[in-house]
Amino acid sequence: KQEVTQIPAALSVPEGENLVLNCSFTDSAIYNLQWFRQDPGKGLTSLLLIQSSQREQTSGRLNASLDKSSGRSTLYIAASQPGDSATYLCAVSAGNQFYFGTGTSLTVIP
Amino acid sequence: DTAVSQTPKYLVTQMGNDKSIKCEQNLGHDTMYWYKQDSKKFLKIMFSYNNKELIINETVPNRFSPKSPDKAHLNLHINSLELGDSAVYFCASSRRSGYYEQYFGPGTRLTVT
Repeated sequence: KQEVTQIPAALSVPEGENLVLNCSFTDSAIYNLQWFRQDPGKGLTSLLLIQSSQREQTSGRLNASLDKSSGRSTLYIAASQPGDSATYLCAVSAGNQFYFGTGTSLTVIP
Repeated sequence: DTAVSQTPKYLVTQMGNDKSIKCEQNLGHDTMYWYKQDSKKFLKIMFSYNNKELIINETVPNRFSPKSPDKAHLNLHINSLELGDSAVYFCASSRRSGYYEQYFGPGTRLTVT
């Protein structure tokens, strides 16, 4: 059974810092991995989708990498801003199933 | 324009009642999903559904049933509500299942008293 873990559970950084969020999964037989952000009381916003055949995806200040063989993905956020404060979730797709990680709560301090 | 919408946003009801949550997507996607997010913010898939196939997570009680009047709608019916059903329920859609990006609705916060 697929298990998805995110470390750390919470992270607090000063504005302007670069940071890395981690996501690990136990079964490498995945179709893709998707990173989301969730603001308090809101739904999930898709940030990046990496197909299993890809190594990384970039969108603006965000860069996500995928190492399927080791069961790991990272989300790199450059030059963090207070508006980046949210919970970040990763999810892996395998067949018709989607498995979410436990999330990393990020606070960027002005 | 909202891509995936849910109604109601909040739902407060008593134990034993039957309730429904509606979901609509205007993205032309073939596959829709229901997720439950518990008090610890953990998201778990309940159902995935396209025109031909319903995949049910085996841990979902049969009091929960998805109903799809057409491709753009997937409603969630819950019978005999229990206290443990209190959670935020999210609807999502994707072009097809598996390989495609998922888009989420804003969620419905269900409180059972």
